[in-house]
Amino acid sequence: DGGITQSPKYLFRKEGQNVTLSCEQNLNHDAMYWYRQDPGQGLRLIYYSQIVNDFQKGDIAEGYSVSREKKESFPLTVTSAQKNPTAFYLCASSKWGQGASDTQYFGPGTRLTVL
Amino acid sequence: KQEVTQIPAALSVPEGENLVLNCSFTDSAIYNLQWFRQDPGKGLTSLLLIQSSQREQTSGRLNASLDKSSGRSTLYIAASQPGDSATYLCAVSSRSGGSNYKLTFGKGTLLTVNP
Repeated sequence: DGGITQSPKYLFRKEGQNVTLSCEQNLNHDAMYWYRQDPGQGLRLIYYSQIVNDFQKGDIAEGYSVSREKKESFPLTVTSAQKNPTAFYLCASSKWGQGASDTQYFGPGTRLTVL
Repeated sequence: KQEVTQIPAALSVPEGENLVLNCSFTDSAIYNLQWFRQDPGKGLTSLLLIQSSQREQTSGRLNASLDKSSGRSTLYIAASQPGDSATYLCAVSSRSGGSNYKLTFGKGTLLTVNP
């Protein structure tokens, strides 16, 4: 089955820890995205990548880092510099870069909680 | 800066009723508009995508319209069913510096269809 997988589904972080969220897609999509969703809020873009070894900051990149070493994978690291990381994190991919006529396909999400 | 507003924030209807969800955006220079569905604790599922040159799109009991000049879109759901209960998100794709585009999301409408 083609699609996007995210792991883990639930993640708990202690203060001062870095954690990495996994996102993998087998859709052969060029572009991948990370969003953050808070209760009652729309999705906000953290980072996006249109090709391997290249990525761009979104609206709320501070305290986060990403890498794009493979087309299929776009892991997100939530660093200790992110002061309020508790949220629902969604990964997405699309065939072309942003703005193309295709839609974005979303993974099932990772819920991160800071203890 | 593009802003997307969805009205109402929540809607409760009896089964079988036809309903309309509203989405408005501040910058009419959009590339496309998408409607997504999100079930609790899950990722987003694309329902309909309307290109900026189109007026409407239909899929089954769903019909989405777009009036780009007035910055409005509506999602019409015919003969609602309890399985339609979910949060519906509107997102517009617009230019974000250089050749990049970004999706800007509304906060969503929480729909409950009562049996």
